[in-house]
Amino acid sequence: TQLLEQSPQFLSIQEGENLTVYCNSSSVFSSLQWYRQEPGEGPVLLVTVVTGGEVKKLKRLTFQFGDARKDSSLHITAAQPGDTGLYLCAGGLNTGNQFYFGTGTSLTVIP
Amino acid sequence: NAGVTQTPKFQVLKTGQSMTLQCAQDMNHNSMYWYRQDPGMGLRLIYYSASEGTTDKGEVPNGYNVSRLNKREFSLRLESAAPSQTSVYFCASSDTLQGYEAFFGQGTRLTVV
Repeated sequence: TQLLEQSPQFLSIQEGENLTVYCNSSSVFSSLQWYRQEPGEGPVLLVTVVTGGEVKKLKRLTFQFGDARKDSSLHITAAQPGDTGLYLCAGGLNTGNQFYFGTGTSLTVIP
Repeated sequence: NAGVTQTPKFQVLKTGQSMTLQCAQDMNHNSMYWYRQDPGMGLRLIYYSASEGTTDKGEVPNGYNVSRLNKREFSLRLESAAPSQTSVYFCASSDTLQGYEAFFGQGTRLTVV
């Protein structure tokens, strides 16, 4: 089993719809990040959250860190085809500068 | 700016062969990481190095060894490749003193037949 579980694993929606991706763990993280990955490329950072309960907005994307710092969510409003990609959450542990990634959510936005 | 550079980009090995994946970063980061990515599994941490001269096991270290040659370079070695090691391998670096962002290379697609 992995430290971070994401749901759903696959998501296919129509342009203009809203969606939420979840990232859950039984561990407490010092920071939680969301990355987006395009085919053939490495992941690229979208946002970092470090405080329990923190909410960050990046245009149509809203990120929330759970109060207990064990979970996070990514909400996309009015999805566009350019949002298509693999979304990965990653958690940093207090000990040893480790980053652990979630299982990933593959999003397809259909025009 | 090169960022994180991995070589090679593609490799096919026969079972039992050995090889070393190279990774170098030019951002003066303290921490470096090796991940493997398999369908439905996200990225799993193989080994990491919090600073020059130190290495530690991640989630899936069996069958791999690493060397932090200097601050810039962090290599991953497969001593005796197995088909289960067919995967895409990513190297990453970060400087947690400056923030939490990990920067990734473009990956090495390895096939073991």
